[in-house]
Amino acid sequence: EIVLTQSPATLSLSPGERGTLSCRASQSVSTSLAWYQQKPGQAPRLLIYDASNRATGIPARFSGSGSGTDFTLTINSLEPDDFAVYYCQQRSDWPGTFGQGTKVEIK
Amino acid sequence: QVQLVESGGGLVKPGGSLRLSCEVSGFRISDYYMNWVRQFPGKGLEWLTYVNHDGRSTNYADSVKGRFTISRDTAKNSLVLQMNSLEVEDTAVYYCAKDSGVRLVGYMDVWGKGTRVTVSS
Repeated sequence: EIVLTQSPATLSLSPGERGTLSCRASQSVSTSLAWYQQKPGQAPRLLIYDASNRATGIPARFSGSGSGTDFTLTINSLEPDDFAVYYCQQRSDWPGTFGQGTKVEIK
Repeated sequence: QVQLVESGGGLVKPGGSLRLSCEVSGFRISDYYMNWVRQFPGKGLEWLTYVNHDGRSTNYADSVKGRFTISRDTAKNSLVLQMNSLEVEDTAVYYCAKDSGVRLVGYMDVWGKGTRVTVSS
């Protein structure tokens, strides 16, 4: 099973700042990686798929990059609505696995 | 409007069974792969199982293989997860989720709100 390790566990930022979240895979997943956003009491929401493609309706301030084992989600100019938990997920190997999440909190 | 609504969760004793349902509106489940994903109280997510568009292909995580069964009712446009031999470790919120592609893509682009399952004596 592929293990995804996200860092940092918590990211404290102010609105308007840039957030950089990391996801590292225990083995190569090529670009078969997605990012999800989850707010309290809600289901996860797909943000990025295949490492760098924004899902439908996702604002351009969200961008993804990486391949192989190292991936980054960047949130440019954080808005109040962006403070949430972010998960990465690989679909390279069954079962697709999720990282443990990074909480982006207001500083 | 695309919507998934789960039901059937609740409190059950270890060794018991539950049947979760997911009512789908806004698209036909016969057009997509469908999934069940759960989220533990500590917030970790686990992809449990999927079923293909015609119901003939399924797969299960090792943690639930032999205990859980996914199925679909195309007449009702709904998804079912039959859970048997429940364990305390199965305590979680269970989400129904649509795959983003007509073939198995493995990303989930529509989720329900979830139904809570608690396994406790």
